[in-house]
Parts: sequence; C-alpha cells; structure tokens
Amino acid sequence: AQTVTQSQPEMSVQEAETVTLSCTYDTSENNYYLFWYKQPPSRQMILVIRQEAYKQQNATENRFSVNFQKAAKSFSLKISDSQLGDTAMYFCAFLPQGAQKLVFGQGTRLTINP
Amino acid sequence: GAVVSQHPSWVICKSGTSVKIECRSLDFQATTMFWYRQFPKQSLMLMATSNEGSKATYEQGVEKDKFLINHASLTLSTLTVTSAHPEDSSFYICSASLRQGANQPQHFGDGTRLSIL
Repeated sequence: AQTVTQSQPEMSVQEAETVTLSCTYDTSENNYYLFWYKQPPSRQMILVIRQEAYKQQNATENRFSVNFQKAAKSFSLKISDSQLGDTAMYFCAFLPQGAQKLVFGQGTRLTINP
Repeated sequence: GAVVSQHPSWVICKSGTSVKIECRSLDFQATTMFWYRQFPKQSLMLMATSNEGSKATYEQGVEKDKFLINHASLTLSTLTVTSAHPEDSSFYICSASLRQGANQPQHFGDGTRLSIL
C-alpha cells in the first residue's frame, strides 16, 4: 500500500522568509500524481500545486514550487516570500495513475509570524 | 471553475437524530465524490467513495448503515449520519473529481462541522 509521510508536524517562520515543507512517499508505481493542499483556519481544502511523476520539470505556481525527486520518492514544497495568509495546515497527497483515492500525509502546521 | 459547495457548514443537533449533509459540484459534473472525516489537528480520513448511480464504496471500519451515502445525480451527493451520537461529532468534508477521468485533482467543499449534544 502507498504511504505518505510528512515528518514536520509544525513549522514556524517569519514573514517574507522562505520555507520548505518535506514529504516522502512509498510506492511501487511508476506513474502517479502528487499534490500539495492547503487548509487554512477556515478549514477549506485548497489545491496549491500538482506534479505529474512522468514530468522531470518541477511544478511552480507563483511563490510555490516543488522539488520532486522521483528516485528518492521525495516531494517537498517551497514557499518563497512567505505571507501571513500562508498560515495553514499543508497536506501532501499521492494519487496512483488510474486510481481515484488520494493518500494523504499527516499534515504540517505552518505558522507565518509577522 | 471546479467549485464544490457543501451544506450545511455547521450543524448542532440532539443525540439520536439523523443529519443530512449535501455536497454539490456547481460548475462541473462529478461521477465520483468522496466523503472524508477529519478530527482536530489530524489528516483527512476517507470514509467512502460515492459513484453516481451506484452504491458507495466504504472504507474498512466505516459503518455503511450509520453513514448513508446517496449520489443520485452528477452534481449531488449526500451523506446522512443516522441516529447520531456525540462520538459522531467531527468535521466532514466532501470532494469531487472532474468527469473527464481519473488523475484529476479533487476539489473540496468547505466542510461541515457536526456537533452532537
């Protein structure tokens, strides 16, 4: 079975700093998809960024980028120029190709301090 | 696009009553919707996968008679917590995938906070 591990339960940085959230996963699949979701205090789940395993280029969305290391089964999220609104729980998620069910990590609680 | 609406956002009711939660895809058709439960400071726990026009697939340990799921149309799935008790109090979240096929990101509703007195 696939598993997703987020080893940092909590992180805290100052506004405008760069922060990296780690995520590792375990799978025997070759084709799959990885996601980062953000859950702010309002508790709505928001898709931050998505990566296809067959793409070598790391995905980027404005201040958010990933470092996808397929061989190491690592999928970290980098937030540049962090803002107060980035304060949230961040969940890493894995989806095998052809499957429907997401596998979530335990989450990392990120706090951006003014 | 890809907006999922969940209603109600918060419900408080007495023990023994049944509570229905609706999940609607507003601007797309979703053949598959998912129901999650989330305890405080924990990750999402998948309860069941809801497929339009067929029976839902429940995860191990989830009581199908306790949590009734109906997916009668391509835009609506409902979760009914029957004879709710305080231990059913939790945050319930639905999500839906675009109809075009698998490998699409799930889009989530805003969640329902259920409190059973």
